[in-house]
Amino acid sequence: DQQVKQNSPSLSVQEGRISILNCDYTNSMFDYFLWYKKYPAEGPTFLISISSIKDKNEDGRFTVFLNKSAKHLSLHIVPSQPGDSAVYFCAAKASGYALNFGKGTSLLVTP
Amino acid sequence: DAGITQSPRHKVTETGTPVTLRCHQTENHRYMYWYRQDPGHGLRLIHYSYGVKDTDKGEVSDGYSVSRSKTEDFLLTLESATSSQTSVYFCAISVDRYEQYFGPGTRLTVT
Repeated sequence: DQQVKQNSPSLSVQEGRISILNCDYTNSMFDYFLWYKKYPAEGPTFLISISSIKDKNEDGRFTVFLNKSAKHLSLHIVPSQPGDSAVYFCAAKASGYALNFGKGTSLLVTP
Repeated sequence: DAGITQSPRHKVTETGTPVTLRCHQTENHRYMYWYRQDPGHGLRLIHYSYGVKDTDKGEVSDGYSVSRSKTEDFLLTLESATSSQTSVYFCAISVDRYEQYFGPGTRLTVT
């Protein structure tokens, strides 16, 4: 039972535009959410996170928005750059140690 | 760079043989994790450790065992490898119970 869902397997965006990656979750006990970026043949790299007590967290070009009532979060990348082309994983955790990951969204930023 | 190395980076083995993957960290973090990544599944937790000789099962622990005799090393063992265990295996550490940082991965093929 997939508790974290990334319903878009892929996304293509032009360089300079905004990339919006979406994530939905079903477990209301999740209280911390993370985004990871993964290049081929490398491990996932932590990108940005947000606690459930916040609705927005910003770090440079990356902003994560959390809508608890809709059980939805999104990652905005502005402006998008070709180097942002990667697979992005959404993850969530409850009170324990485990991270629950979505299946990932492959982002392609075209020149 | 979280100071995580994994060995081997690539391995091909035959069905029924035992396999041990090693994760080594240089910063003495308490929490360590083993995940597997498969197409269509994202990353799934196999086992984790919260201290020397303290380990617990994750979501997909069947067919795997772990050991942690030193803070810096976390070993994942496939007692009798099966083709369904062909995957990319990632080790991760966390400073606290929130962000996790991943190693470069081990690609395992079971023939």
